[in-house]
Amino acid sequence: GENVEQHPSTLSVQEGDSAVIKCTYSDSASNYFPWYKQELGKRPQLIIDIRSNVGEKKDQRIAVTLNKTAKHFSLHITETQPEDSAVYFCAADQGAQKLVFGQGTRLTINP
Amino acid sequence: SAVISQKPSRDICQRGTSLTIQCQVDSQVTMMFWYRQQPGQSLTLIATANQGSEATYESGFVIDKFPISRPNLTFSTLTVSNMSPEDSSIYLCSVSQGRTGELFFGEGSRLTVL
Repeated sequence: GENVEQHPSTLSVQEGDSAVIKCTYSDSASNYFPWYKQELGKRPQLIIDIRSNVGEKKDQRIAVTLNKTAKHFSLHITETQPEDSAVYFCAADQGAQKLVFGQGTRLTINP
Repeated sequence: SAVISQKPSRDICQRGTSLTIQCQVDSQVTMMFWYRQQPGQSLTLIATANQGSEATYESGFVIDKFPISRPNLTFSTLTVSNMSPEDSSIYLCSVSQGRTGELFFGEGSRLTVL
C-alpha cells in the first residue's frame, strides 16, 4: 500500500520568510496530493491540492509542486504570518478516495 | 462544502465500556470515512462506511472493535468497543465531495479512556 514520508517534523521560521515542507510517496499509482492545515484543537482543513496532470499549483501565498518521476511533492508558503502557525499534513490517495497522510509538520512563525 | 456534525465532541469513558460517535452531513455524500488521530500523531484511516452494506476496514482495524453503521447517505456511526486507555484519540468523520473528490473533516470526537 501507499506510504507517505513528510519532513521536517518541526519547522520554525521568522515572520515574512518562506517555509517549505516536503513529502515523498511510494505508490506510483497515486494521482491526488492534498495538503491540510490543522490548528490546535481544530479539524484538519484542506488548503491546497494537486493532481498528477500538473506540476505546480499556486493560491496566493501557498503553492504546491509535484514531481511524479521522483515521487515527491512540496508545500511552499511565502511571506509567512503568525496565523500560518499550525500542523501541516500532506497526503496521497490510495484509490477509492482514501488518503494516506504524512506524519505532519509543526510550523511555528516567530514574530 | 458540506457541513459535517459530530457528537459527542468529547467524552471521558471508563475502561471496558463502549461509546458510539455520530456523524451527520447536511447533504447526501457518496463516500464517508472514519479516521483516528492519536495524541500528537497523524491521521489513520479506520474504515470506509458503505451505505447499506458492511464497512470496509483498513489493516489493523476490525469490525468487532469498531463497528460502523451507515443507514443512509447523510449519517454514519462509529462505535469504539470495550475501550482501553490506548483508544484515547480523536475520531474524525470525513466525507468526499464533488467531482474532484476533496476530503472534508468533521470537528472530531475527542475520547479519553481512564
